[in-house]
Amino acid sequence: TQLLEQSPQFLSIQEGENLTVYCNSSSVFSSLQWYRQEPGEGPVLLVTVVTGGEVKKLKRLTFQFGDARKDSSLHITAAQPGDTGLYLCAGALSTNDYKLSFGAGTTVTVRA
Amino acid sequence: DAGVIQSPRHEVTEMGQEVTLRCKPISGHNSLFWYRQTMMRGLELLIYFNNNVPIDDSGMPEDRFSAKMPNASFSTLKIQPSEPRDSAVYFCASSLMSAGNSPLHFGNGTRLTVT
Repeated sequence: TQLLEQSPQFLSIQEGENLTVYCNSSSVFSSLQWYRQEPGEGPVLLVTVVTGGEVKKLKRLTFQFGDARKDSSLHITAAQPGDTGLYLCAGALSTNDYKLSFGAGTTVTVRA
Repeated sequence: DAGVIQSPRHEVTEMGQEVTLRCKPISGHNSLFWYRQTMMRGLELLIYFNNNVPIDDSGMPEDRFSAKMPNASFSTLKIQPSEPRDSAVYFCASSLMSAGNSPLHFGNGTRLTVT
């Protein structure tokens, strides 16, 4: 059983559409990270959120940390084929916690 | 910055053979992690080193798995003997600190196939 549940598992959309990926847990996290993994490569960090209610923007990507620090979302506006990949959320239960709990990931495919 | 370097990129071996995976972390990073990724189980932490010392090996599946970090710039993960169920992508990652909000820098992984 994974500590972080991601939904949906798969998402296929047309270029230009918007999408949202969710990361939920019953546990409270000190911080939460989002990674993107492309085929044949390792995950690459997109953002870290640490404060409940925090919103961070990275170009067309908007990340939100829930007020209670139990959930997070990633919203992509006007998706492009380059956004295709596996999106993983990972949480740390405390600032001294080296063990990140990874979600199973959401596979996003953006069709041209 | 070359990033985390793993070798080999692909390894195909027969059941019962010894497999050694290698990792060079980013210079200056004091934390090193070995992960295994499969479709069924996602990313699983196998072992964590801090300052070259193994801190947590509770994720190592069996005695067939062992890992070493003889110095700050090199680590190995060995499987002996290998079994088909060990087939997966193995990632090495390093970070500047062991704190939970320190980002992980992953290598590109070793895809292991055991036949």
